Amino acid sequence: AQSVTQLGSHVSVSEGALVLLRCNYSSSVPPYLFWYVQYPNQGLQLLLKYTTGATLVKGINGFEAEFKKSETSFHLTKPSAHMSDAAEYFCAVRHTNAGKSTFGDGTTLTVKP
Amino acid sequence: SAVISQKPSRDICQRGTSLTIQCQVDSQVTMMFWYRQQPGQSLTLIATANQGSEATYESGFVIDKFPISRPNLTFSTLTVSNMSPEDSSIYLCSVEVGGGDTQYFGPGTRLTVL
Repeated sequence: AQSVTQLGSHVSVSEGALVLLRCNYSSSVPPYLFWYVQYPNQGLQLLLKYTTGATLVKGINGFEAEFKKSETSFHLTKPSAHMSDAAEYFCAVRHTNAGKSTFGDGTTLTVKP
Repeated sequence: SAVISQKPSRDICQRGTSLTIQCQVDSQVTMMFWYRQQPGQSLTLIATANQGSEATYESGFVIDKFPISRPNLTFSTLTVSNMSPEDSSIYLCSVEVGGGDTQYFGPGTRLTVL
Protein backbone atom coordinates (compact mmCIF):
# COMPACT_ATOMS: atom_id res chain seq x y z
CA ALA A 1 0.00 0.00 0.00
CA GLN A 2 1.08 3.56 -0.54
CA SER A 3 -0.01 6.87 0.93
CA VAL A 4 0.86 10.53 0.85
CA THR A 5 0.59 13.15 3.56
CA GLN A 6 0.88 16.82 2.77
CA LEU A 7 1.50 18.82 5.90
CA GLY A 8 -0.46 22.04 5.87
CA SER A 9 -3.52 22.41 3.72
CA HIS A 10 -2.83 26.14 3.38
CA VAL A 11 0.52 27.91 3.14
CA SER A 12 0.87 31.67 2.85
CA VAL A 13 4.09 33.44 1.95
CA SER A 14 5.09 36.92 0.94
CA GLU A 15 6.27 37.61 -2.57
CA GLY A 16 10.00 36.97 -2.72
CA ALA A 17 10.01 34.67 0.29
CA LEU A 18 10.97 31.01 0.37
CA VAL A 19 8.28 28.51 -0.53
CA LEU A 20 8.30 25.18 1.32
CA LEU A 21 5.53 22.66 0.78
CA ARG A 22 5.86 19.45 2.75
CA CYS A 23 5.15 15.95 1.54
CA ASN A 24 5.73 12.64 3.30
CA TYR A 25 4.97 9.30 1.76
CA SER A 26 4.76 5.67 2.64
CA SER A 27 5.43 2.92 0.18
CA SER A 28 6.33 -0.72 0.48
CA VAL A 29 8.58 -0.52 -2.58
CA PRO A 30 10.85 2.19 -4.00
CA PRO A 31 8.48 4.90 -5.12
CA TYR A 32 8.14 7.30 -7.95
CA LEU A 33 7.31 10.74 -6.54
CA PHE A 34 5.66 13.68 -8.22
CA TRP A 35 4.56 17.24 -7.61
CA TYR A 36 1.70 18.67 -9.62
CA VAL A 37 0.28 22.17 -9.68
CA GLN A 38 -3.33 23.06 -10.36
CA TYR A 39 -4.21 26.63 -11.21
CA PRO A 40 -7.80 27.77 -10.75
CA ASN A 41 -10.18 26.13 -13.20
CA GLN A 42 -7.43 24.11 -14.84
CA GLY A 43 -6.17 20.55 -14.83
CA LEU A 44 -3.01 19.28 -13.19
CA GLN A 45 0.38 20.21 -14.57
CA LEU A 46 3.49 18.21 -13.76
CA LEU A 47 6.03 20.32 -11.86
CA LEU A 48 8.72 17.71 -11.30
CA LYS A 49 9.30 14.07 -10.60
CA TYR A 50 11.72 11.69 -8.93
CA THR A 51 12.16 8.21 -10.31
CA THR A 52 15.78 7.19 -9.86
CA GLY A 53 19.20 8.80 -9.69
CA ALA A 54 19.86 12.26 -8.31
CA THR A 55 17.76 12.91 -5.25
CA LEU A 56 17.51 16.65 -5.86
CA VAL A 57 15.25 17.23 -8.82
CA LYS A 58 14.54 20.48 -10.56
CA GLY A 59 11.27 21.29 -12.19
CA ILE A 60 9.54 24.06 -14.02
CA ASN A 61 9.02 27.59 -12.76
CA GLY A 62 12.06 27.44 -10.45
CA PHE A 63 10.73 24.69 -8.19
CA GLU A 64 12.81 21.84 -6.89
CA ALA A 65 12.33 18.92 -4.53
CA GLU A 66 14.60 16.56 -2.68
CA PHE A 67 13.91 12.88 -2.15
CA LYS A 68 15.01 11.87 1.34
CA LYS A 69 14.54 8.16 1.77
CA SER A 70 15.51 8.16 5.46
CA GLU A 71 12.81 10.74 6.17
CA THR A 72 10.34 9.39 3.59
CA SER A 73 9.93 12.95 2.41
CA PHE A 74 9.75 14.82 -0.87
CA HIS A 75 9.37 18.47 0.06
CA LEU A 76 8.88 21.10 -2.62
CA THR A 77 10.80 24.37 -2.47
CA LYS A 78 11.29 27.57 -4.39
CA PRO A 79 13.75 30.23 -3.24
CA SER A 80 11.61 33.23 -4.11
CA ALA A 81 7.83 33.17 -4.43
CA HIS A 82 6.08 34.96 -7.24
CA MET A 83 2.48 36.03 -7.35
CA SER A 84 1.90 33.62 -10.22
CA ASP A 85 2.82 30.69 -7.96
CA ALA A 86 -0.50 30.97 -6.15
CA ALA A 87 -2.21 27.65 -6.84
CA GLU A 88 -3.04 24.21 -5.42
CA TYR A 89 -0.11 21.81 -5.19
CA PHE A 90 -0.43 18.05 -5.06
CA CYS A 91 2.18 15.49 -4.10
CA ALA A 92 1.74 12.02 -5.54
CA VAL A 93 3.38 8.62 -5.19
CA ARG A 94 3.21 5.58 -7.38
CA HIS A 95 4.86 2.23 -7.31
CA THR A 96 7.52 1.61 -9.90
CA ASN A 97 6.06 -0.22 -12.87
CA ALA A 98 2.52 0.15 -11.56
CA GLY A 99 -0.12 2.39 -13.04
CA LYS A 100 -1.89 3.76 -10.01
CA SER A 101 -0.86 7.01 -8.35
CA THR A 102 -1.94 8.08 -4.91
CA PHE A 103 -2.37 11.80 -4.31
CA GLY A 104 -2.08 13.88 -1.20
CA ASP A 105 -4.90 16.15 -0.10
CA GLY A 106 -3.22 19.18 -1.64
CA THR A 107 -1.75 22.41 -0.32
CA THR A 108 -3.11 25.78 -1.31
CA LEU A 109 -0.33 28.29 -1.72
CA THR A 110 -1.18 31.96 -1.28
CA VAL A 111 1.37 34.61 -2.19
CA LYS A 112 0.94 38.01 -0.56
CA PRO A 113 2.24 41.15 -2.23
CA SER B 1 4.68 14.56 -22.74
CA ALA B 2 1.15 14.30 -24.05
CA VAL B 3 -1.52 16.77 -25.00
CA ILE B 4 -4.89 15.75 -23.66
CA SER B 5 -8.23 17.32 -24.42
CA GLN B 6 -11.56 16.72 -22.75
CA LYS B 7 -15.10 17.43 -23.84
CA PRO B 8 -17.17 19.02 -22.49
CA SER B 9 -15.10 21.38 -20.38
CA ARG B 10 -18.06 21.95 -18.11
CA ASP B 11 -21.73 21.07 -17.90
CA ILE B 12 -24.75 21.56 -15.71
CA CYS B 13 -27.04 18.56 -15.65
CA GLN B 14 -30.30 17.53 -14.09
CA ARG B 15 -30.61 14.80 -11.53
CA GLY B 16 -31.26 11.39 -13.03
CA THR B 17 -29.65 12.09 -16.39
CA SER B 18 -26.32 10.82 -17.74
CA LEU B 19 -23.31 12.61 -19.16
CA THR B 20 -20.55 11.18 -21.33
CA ILE B 21 -17.13 12.78 -21.08
CA GLN B 22 -14.64 12.36 -23.89
CA CYS B 23 -10.87 12.22 -23.58
CA GLN B 24 -8.61 12.56 -26.62
CA VAL B 25 -4.83 12.19 -26.57
CA ASP B 26 -2.42 13.36 -29.25
CA SER B 27 -0.41 10.13 -29.16
CA GLN B 28 -1.03 6.45 -28.64
CA VAL B 29 -0.97 5.46 -24.99
CA THR B 30 -1.50 2.15 -23.30
CA MET B 31 -2.91 3.20 -19.99
CA MET B 32 -5.57 5.82 -19.39
CA PHE B 33 -7.02 6.76 -16.06
CA TRP B 34 -10.16 8.53 -14.93
CA TYR B 35 -10.11 10.55 -11.72
CA ARG B 36 -12.71 12.44 -9.74
CA GLN B 37 -11.90 15.59 -7.79
CA GLN B 38 -14.72 16.62 -5.53
CA PRO B 39 -14.93 20.27 -4.48
CA GLY B 40 -11.98 21.24 -2.32
CA GLN B 41 -10.60 17.71 -2.27
CA SER B 42 -7.83 15.68 -3.80
CA LEU B 43 -7.99 13.28 -6.70
CA THR B 44 -9.61 9.89 -6.40
CA LEU B 45 -9.00 7.25 -9.04
CA ILE B 46 -12.21 5.91 -10.55
CA ALA B 47 -10.82 3.36 -12.96
CA THR B 48 -7.97 2.38 -15.23
CA ALA B 49 -8.81 1.85 -18.89
CA ASN B 50 -6.59 -0.22 -21.15
CA GLN B 51 -7.37 -0.62 -24.82
CA GLY B 52 -8.91 -3.95 -25.65
CA SER B 53 -9.87 -4.93 -22.14
CA GLU B 54 -12.48 -4.10 -19.54
CA ALA B 55 -11.77 -1.15 -17.31
CA THR B 56 -10.54 -1.88 -13.81
CA TYR B 57 -12.55 -0.04 -11.17
CA GLU B 58 -11.36 1.10 -7.78
CA SER B 59 -13.16 0.29 -4.59
CA GLY B 60 -16.35 2.31 -4.32
CA PHE B 61 -16.82 2.73 -8.06
CA VAL B 62 -18.90 0.41 -10.24
CA ILE B 63 -19.32 -0.06 -13.94
CA ASP B 64 -23.06 0.53 -13.89
CA LYS B 65 -22.52 4.02 -12.49
CA PHE B 66 -19.35 4.91 -14.42
CA PRO B 67 -19.20 2.92 -17.67
CA ILE B 68 -15.98 3.46 -19.60
CA SER B 69 -15.12 2.84 -23.21
CA ARG B 70 -11.63 2.59 -24.69
CA PRO B 71 -12.06 1.92 -28.41
CA ASN B 72 -8.49 2.76 -29.43
CA LEU B 73 -5.13 3.94 -28.10
CA THR B 74 -5.93 7.67 -28.28
CA PHE B 75 -9.51 7.92 -27.02
CA SER B 76 -11.69 7.06 -24.05
CA THR B 77 -15.06 8.02 -22.65
CA LEU B 78 -16.43 8.06 -19.12
CA THR B 79 -20.17 8.16 -18.55
CA VAL B 80 -21.62 9.38 -15.28
CA SER B 81 -24.99 7.64 -15.09
CA ASN B 82 -28.17 8.47 -13.22
CA MET B 83 -26.55 11.55 -11.76
CA SER B 84 -27.21 13.02 -8.35
CA PRO B 85 -25.87 16.25 -6.80
CA GLU B 86 -23.19 14.16 -5.07
CA ASP B 87 -21.67 13.54 -8.53
CA SER B 88 -20.84 17.23 -8.87
CA SER B 89 -17.08 17.14 -9.33
CA ILE B 90 -14.23 17.70 -11.71
CA TYR B 91 -13.57 14.60 -13.78
CA LEU B 92 -10.02 14.27 -15.05
CA CYS B 93 -8.58 12.04 -17.71
CA SER B 94 -4.95 11.03 -17.34
CA VAL B 95 -2.49 9.05 -19.44
CA GLU B 96 0.79 7.34 -18.76
CA VAL B 97 3.76 8.17 -20.97
CA GLY B 98 7.52 8.33 -20.76
CA GLY B 99 8.16 4.66 -20.26
CA GLY B 100 5.51 4.38 -17.61
CA ASP B 101 6.86 6.68 -14.94
CA THR B 102 4.75 9.78 -15.50
CA GLN B 103 1.08 10.62 -15.73
CA TYR B 104 -0.23 13.64 -17.58
CA PHE B 105 -3.64 15.13 -17.05
CA GLY B 106 -6.31 16.67 -19.18
CA PRO B 107 -7.90 20.01 -18.28
CA GLY B 108 -10.86 18.35 -16.59
CA THR B 109 -14.62 18.41 -16.99
CA ARG B 110 -16.46 20.44 -14.40
CA LEU B 111 -19.81 18.82 -13.72
CA THR B 112 -22.60 20.36 -11.68
CA VAL B 113 -25.69 18.28 -11.00
CA LEU B 114 -28.82 20.10 -9.91
